Amino acid sequence: QKEVEQDPGPLSVPEGAIVSLNCTYSNSAFQYFMWYRQYSRKGPELLMYTYSSGNKEDGRFTAQVDKSSKYISLFIRDSQPSDSATYLCAMSAGEGGGADGLTFGKGTHLIIQP
Amino acid sequence: EPEVTQTPSHQVTQMGQEVILRCVPISNHLYFYWYRQILGQKVEFLVSFYNNEISEKSEIFDDQFSVERPDGSNFTLKIRSTKLEDSAMYFCASPTGRAYNEQFFGPGTRLTVL
Repeated sequence: QKEVEQDPGPLSVPEGAIVSLNCTYSNSAFQYFMWYRQYSRKGPELLMYTYSSGNKEDGRFTAQVDKSSKYISLFIRDSQPSDSATYLCAMSAGEGGGADGLTFGKGTHLIIQP
Repeated sequence: EPEVTQTPSHQVTQMGQEVILRCVPISNHLYFYWYRQILGQKVEFLVSFYNNEISEKSEIFDDQFSVERPDGSNFTLKIRSTKLEDSAMYFCASPTGRAYNEQFFGPGTRLTVL
């Protein structure tokens, strides 16, 4: 059973649309949830960090966590062609004071059409 | 924004050779992490390193791998006898300072084993 599931896409939307990206997970111990953006052959870039359930907004980005459903989402408003990238969800149980590292989804390839 | 740097950006080696990948993490943090990403696959946790000791390691991190902090600022990942399947992007990561599992990633080293 895979720990973190993420639809690889590609997901193609027109410029200005609202984008919804999602991950599901199986490990109920996960408490910390992150979204990263990755361009081809580059390092992941941290976009959002949330703890436990709830919403967090930062500019055009909103992260949602529903621990009861083991489901997290990232919404991008007013999408731009520069948002085209692979979006990775990542999560951690926070065990050992942070020793446990992050568990990633495979990433969703997003294409914003001008 | 703080930066994590990695060298070299690309390393080509022959199977069976030893390679050393280097990272300069965000300063004043005791926790560091190494991850790898095989082309087209998810980012995978390798090892966490705290206060000059391995804190936790994944099943990928076998006896061929080692990590060191040779001086106050550098952090290395050594692969003793490379295999073809070690070809991947290797990322080091450093906490942002707000939480250990909120991590900045370096740009990565692309390792190609021939």
